[in-house]
Amino acid sequence: QKEVEQNSGPLSVPEGAIASLNCTYSDRVSQSFFWYRQYSGKSPELIMSIYSNGDKEDGRFTAQLNKASQYVSLLIRDSQPSDSATYLCAVNEVEYGNKLVFGAGTILRVKS
Amino acid sequence: GAVVSQHPSWVICKSGTSVKIECRSLDFQATTMFWYRQFPKQSLMLMATSNEGSKATYEQGVEKDKFLINHASLTLSTLTVTSAHPEDSSFYICSARPSYADTQYFGPGTRLTVL
Repeated sequence: QKEVEQNSGPLSVPEGAIASLNCTYSDRVSQSFFWYRQYSGKSPELIMSIYSNGDKEDGRFTAQLNKASQYVSLLIRDSQPSDSATYLCAVNEVEYGNKLVFGAGTILRVKS
Repeated sequence: GAVVSQHPSWVICKSGTSVKIECRSLDFQATTMFWYRQFPKQSLMLMATSNEGSKATYEQGVEKDKFLINHASLTLSTLTVTSAHPEDSSFYICSARPSYADTQYFGPGTRLTVL
């Protein structure tokens, strides 16, 4: 099984700052990448998907993908206390039966 | 769009009984559904993949006779935990993948407590 690596954190940022979450993956042929947010005691919810190199923006969120470096990141602008959660990076592994391989998640804490 | 429901949201049962959890895609057809388990402060663990009309594929170490999965339609998959024991207590989460995309949408989860 391929690997997806994330720093477990916690990553602490002040309210209003930019939070930067990083993820690396081992499978060079992966084409689909996802960021999920999971609040404590809840199930994951999809934030963004990204398929092409470069940036993809959606509101306060920007996903960045660099396939050559096997690196995907998520930027959260104007961080709010409500953004405090665990952020899961997931990679769709076609050779692994088209399943998602998840990183362990990064805990984000936004302090007001 | 892309809403997935689960029922029940929580269940408490006695050791030795069986529990059925339903997962439904409400506004799309899901050719593939997935079942995960998550223990406190741990990562999601994929248990099995189910495709409509065919047998589920279980991950290594997951007992297929204990965790029965049925995917009878394009909008419904069920997970039955048979002869549940306290160590089966966990947060069970399903996800569904639309036929037109490779994105997985998660249900709200079912918290199972076995006494």
